[in-house]
Amino acid sequence: DAGITQSPRHKVTETGTPVTLRCHQTENHRYMYWYRQDPGHGLRLIHYSYGVKDTDKGEVSDGYSVSRSKTEDFLLTLESATSSQTSVYFCAINGRDSSSYEQYFGPGTRLTVT
Amino acid sequence: QKEVEQDPGPLSVPEGAIVSLNCTYSNSAFQYFMWYRQYSRKGPELLMYTYSSGNKEDGRFTAQVDKSSKYISLFIRDSQPSDSATYLCAHWPSGTYKYIFGTGTRLKVLA
Repeated sequence: DAGITQSPRHKVTETGTPVTLRCHQTENHRYMYWYRQDPGHGLRLIHYSYGVKDTDKGEVSDGYSVSRSKTEDFLLTLESATSSQTSVYFCAINGRDSSSYEQYFGPGTRLTVT
Repeated sequence: QKEVEQDPGPLSVPEGAIVSLNCTYSNSAFQYFMWYRQYSRKGPELLMYTYSSGNKEDGRFTAQVDKSSKYISLFIRDSQPSDSATYLCAHWPSGTYKYIFGTGTRLKVLA
């Protein structure tokens, strides 16, 4: 168990509403990631963070923003949810140290936008 | 062309069979290669990794990289029903922290 939790685990929301997903780690790792997983597309990187207040975009960042004010928390916000953002969202942290290639994933958040 | 390609399956095999799962990739700069296993409604978990070319063995699992043909494989010997999952290959391009994942191959091992 890599000490990663995600909340909420399930959420149903309406189109146009803002949604925030939380990822919390107890491992004090520098790198944190948000992915979405959809059938036929696999895992796609939304945003990642390489330190407190340091973030960068992934391949599918439009419509999403992130914040990291503490090492242990990485928040993903859907500014105005759309049906195309219905997906399973995974948070991940990077290995044991900054040179590690291993990623450990949280349990996922299943988001439905109606 | 996607940077990483995987056959989505499903691949169904009888218990005890040898399973071969494959990925192709397009960027010759890729050096670190990983295999993740994902059970239904769970997060992916790291199964194996390799660096550069060659084989790596861990119990019933063997990861193989052929850089000349840009092809990576995961072999599972004596497959078990508990191996039924989706298997994702992934690459970590040197100098970045942006991992690239394949779409995953769904495996079913029939008892």
